[in-house]
Amino acid sequence: QKEVEQDPGPLSVPEGAIVSLNCTYSNSAFQYFMWYRQYSRKGPELLMYTYSSGNKEDGRFTAQVDKSSKYISLFIRDSQPSDSATYLCAMSAVPGNQFYFGTGTSLTVIP
Amino acid sequence: GAGVSQSPSNKVTEKGKDVELRCDPISGHTALYWYRQSLGQGLEFLIYFQGNSAPDKSGLPSDRFSAERTGGSVSTLTIQRTQQEDSAVYLCASSLSLNYEQYFGPGTRLTVT
Repeated sequence: QKEVEQDPGPLSVPEGAIVSLNCTYSNSAFQYFMWYRQYSRKGPELLMYTYSSGNKEDGRFTAQVDKSSKYISLFIRDSQPSDSATYLCAMSAVPGNQFYFGTGTSLTVIP
Repeated sequence: GAGVSQSPSNKVTEKGKDVELRCDPISGHTALYWYRQSLGQGLEFLIYFQGNSAPDKSGLPSDRFSAERTGGSVSTLTIQRTQQEDSAVYLCASSLSLNYEQYFGPGTRLTVT
C-alpha cells in the first residue's frame, strides 16, 4: 500500500465550478500536509500547508485535514482556466524530513 | 527575489556516462531537498540536507547516486554510470529551515539514451 493515494483524474470542470481534490494516507503519524500546483514542465508551487487537523483558507483555496479519517482535501472556488494544472498533495511526519507525495490530479477548467 | 534555480534545464546523455545536476537554493535557506519525478509516478524523495549535512541517504535509489552540498548553499546530485531508468525530471527544493514550506526549482529533465 502506498503511503499516499491520490486519484490521478483527469478532472474536467466548467469555469466557475467548485473543485474538490482529495488524498488519503495510511500513516497516522503524518502531521504536516501540503498542496502544490504544478504547471506543465514547471516545478511544483506551494499553495497551502496545514498542521494537524482543521481547515485553512487562502483566497479561493481551502485546505481541510481530517486525521481521524486520514483524508485531506483541497477546494477551489470559482475555478478559472488558469487553475488548469496538476495538483499534488504531500505530507510529513517530522518537520523537514521525508515528504511523501501523491501522484497528482490533473485538472482542466474549461472556459 | 530569486527563486530556486537548477542547471542544466535539460540533459541528454548516453547510457553509462556520469552526470551532474546542480541546484542553487534561495539565499538564506538552510534546508535543501532532491526529488525525482517520473511520468505517472509522483515525486520520489531522494535526499535532504540541513546545512551541509545529509542525515538520511536511504532515499537514494542506488549507490550510483550521490549528493553533496557545500558552503550551505549549492548542491550537486551526481549519477554515475547512468541507466535508461534514470530518465526523469530531477527537482530541487529549499526551505528556510526544517519547516514545511518547500520552494521548488524548475527541474532538470534527464534523458538517458
